[in-house]
Amino acid sequence: GENVEQHPSTLSVQEGDSAVIKCTYSDSASNYFPWYKQELGKGPQLIIDIRSNVGEKKDQRIAVTLNKTAKHFSLHITETQPEDSAVYFCAASITGGGNKLTFGTGTQLKVEL
Amino acid sequence: GAVVSQHPSRVICKSGTSVKIECRSLDFQATTMFWYRQFPKQSLMLMATSNEGSKATYEQGVEKDKFLINHASLTLSTLTVTSAHPEDSSFYICSARGGSWTDNEQFFGPGTRLTVL
Repeated sequence: GENVEQHPSTLSVQEGDSAVIKCTYSDSASNYFPWYKQELGKGPQLIIDIRSNVGEKKDQRIAVTLNKTAKHFSLHITETQPEDSAVYFCAASITGGGNKLTFGTGTQLKVEL
Repeated sequence: GAVVSQHPSRVICKSGTSVKIECRSLDFQATTMFWYRQFPKQSLMLMATSNEGSKATYEQGVEKDKFLINHASLTLSTLTVTSAHPEDSSFYICSARGGSWTDNEQFFGPGTRLTVL
């Protein structure tokens, strides 16, 4: 089955700096890669996703890049703000293959003033 | 965006009792619903996948007789934890997806915190 690894497990940045979280996946058939933000005691919220036919996608301060050859994808947050502090999860799935998500282990992002 | 609700948000029960958690898609028809369990400071682990009107598919290691899943309509799925024990205490999260088989996006509920005494 699919295995998704995520690094780092914790990340502390100063407000205004950029944050980068990286994930690798094992199944070359995976073609959908979402990123979720989870605040304490709440369910995950989709913040951005990318499909395997695209190498990069951007939405305001958030961007995701995908390298299919290397089987890794990354989340980039620019101009970080204290409200960006949360746990971020990457995930991977195969379209039509039950659409089950395999999650990474999560990254605790702390944005310090 | 699509909204998924869960009820209750928190539940405390005694060991040996059963607890039912509801998951509802409020503004779309959910072709498939997923149930996850999340222990403190850990990732989400998929427990089972349910399609409306059919039996749930459980992940390896998840006891189907202990975690009963019913997906009776396109907007409601329930998870019943039977004969709950302290080790079942966890954060249970559902998600739902609609549309065609090519629609990957899952919309997550707010989660249910289960504490078994």
